[in-house]
Amino acid sequence: DAKTTQPNSMESNEEEPVHLPCNHSTISGTDYIHWYRQLPSQGPEYVIHGLTSNVNNRMASLAIAEDRKSSTLILHRATLRDAAVYYCILRPLTGGGNKLTFGTGTQLKVEL
Amino acid sequence: EPEVTQTPSHQVTQMGQEVILRCVPISNHLYFYWYRQILGQKVEFLVSFYNNEISEKSEIFDDQFSVERPDGSNFTLKIRSTKLEDSAMYFCASSVFETNTGELFFGEGSRLTVL
Repeated sequence: DAKTTQPNSMESNEEEPVHLPCNHSTISGTDYIHWYRQLPSQGPEYVIHGLTSNVNNRMASLAIAEDRKSSTLILHRATLRDAAVYYCILRPLTGGGNKLTFGTGTQLKVEL
Repeated sequence: EPEVTQTPSHQVTQMGQEVILRCVPISNHLYFYWYRQILGQKVEFLVSFYNNEISEKSEIFDDQFSVERPDGSNFTLKIRSTKLEDSAMYFCASSVFETNTGELFFGEGSRLTVL
């Protein structure tokens, strides 16, 4: 599986935007970029995914670099509830099974 | 909003005992999964299940583990003879499609403590 690299931790203040980066320089043309998060003592939760174009949903936005070697998850207004570990995961369109391969992710701390 | 539910939330067992962890996936989902997370470590894939058979399993999922969908709603993970190193959070997940563009819905987990 293609590898992703994320910072171990980031901090943000409540109600400010947060940009969580992910590098995936070995991404292949058919790899989708998925983001999940894991709140304390909970199971992982889907956030967003994309292939080439930027994506928006009710939780976040995903900005994908033109060369697809990196992406950024954007939380527009962080709240205390957004404190979690955020995982950037590549999933091939075909093959590779249907499993998610989690890395260590980015621990996001949100302060008042 | 529909959700994946897991029971028990916490189970304590003695080494060598059999344990069954139960999951009720979202009702219209067709693909089911178990993941585990040892304290302080990554979330790890164990097994995926579709059409009443295992579609993929990891190296962790050895002969001590088995999965079953005994009826139309439950999905279970059995550990035949637990070891200390089986202590972990076990997460069940389900999805509608076997598409790598779809999302997995995870339960809140069952914490297994092996003494």
